[in-house]
Amino acid sequence: SQTIHQWPATLVQPVGSPLSLECTVEGTSNPNLYWYRQAAGRGLQLLFYSIGIDQISSEVPQNLSASRPQDRQFILSSKKLLLSDSGFYLCAWNPTGAYNSPLHFGNGTRLTVT
Amino acid sequence: GQSLEQPSEVTAVEGAIVQINCTYQTSGFYGLSWYQQHDGGAPTFLSYNGLDGLEETGRFSSFLSRSDSYGYLLLQELQMKDSASYFCASRDDKIIFGKGTRLHILP
Repeated sequence: SQTIHQWPATLVQPVGSPLSLECTVEGTSNPNLYWYRQAAGRGLQLLFYSIGIDQISSEVPQNLSASRPQDRQFILSSKKLLLSDSGFYLCAWNPTGAYNSPLHFGNGTRLTVT
Repeated sequence: GQSLEQPSEVTAVEGAIVQINCTYQTSGFYGLSWYQQHDGGAPTFLSYNGLDGLEETGRFSSFLSRSDSYGYLLLQELQMKDSASYFCASRDDKIIFGKGTRLHILP
């Protein structure tokens, strides 16, 4: 069966520090991968999505970047965090080409920038 | 671009029926999905409508009208555990979510 792992679960970082959040999927090949951010009590904002290795689309210009070094690994990074980067970061996947397939989410990373 | 509009909050009584509406504007559209999110947790998939009409899954049903760019989620026999946020999401080459509807259930 397919599983998605996302870590860490909680992170407190000072303003200006770097960030690296990792997400891996097991049990499937060539998944679509997504990074979403959710501010407290708000909706899910799509940050990046990827349909394959080195194929990443950015939805919102900001100080975040994403990479997909392996088929089932998706990394969210920042060189210098801002206070506004605080939020709940969610990685998700679904199978390529299946339009009725649901998104499967990781457990999320709650990031607080101080 | 894509945008989805849904009410920010809905309140209903335990045992009753509630409908959460969603209207969308998208450049491309393959279908409308619904997700549930409890406080502190990740969203979980509830239903998907690729074609017009009603899809039923237990106490939950979802409806889509492509001509009206409109859908809704219907929750029947409400239980206290249904207190959560509900999101509609549209799919073209990516998946975009509405801002969510917070469902409050009164005993």
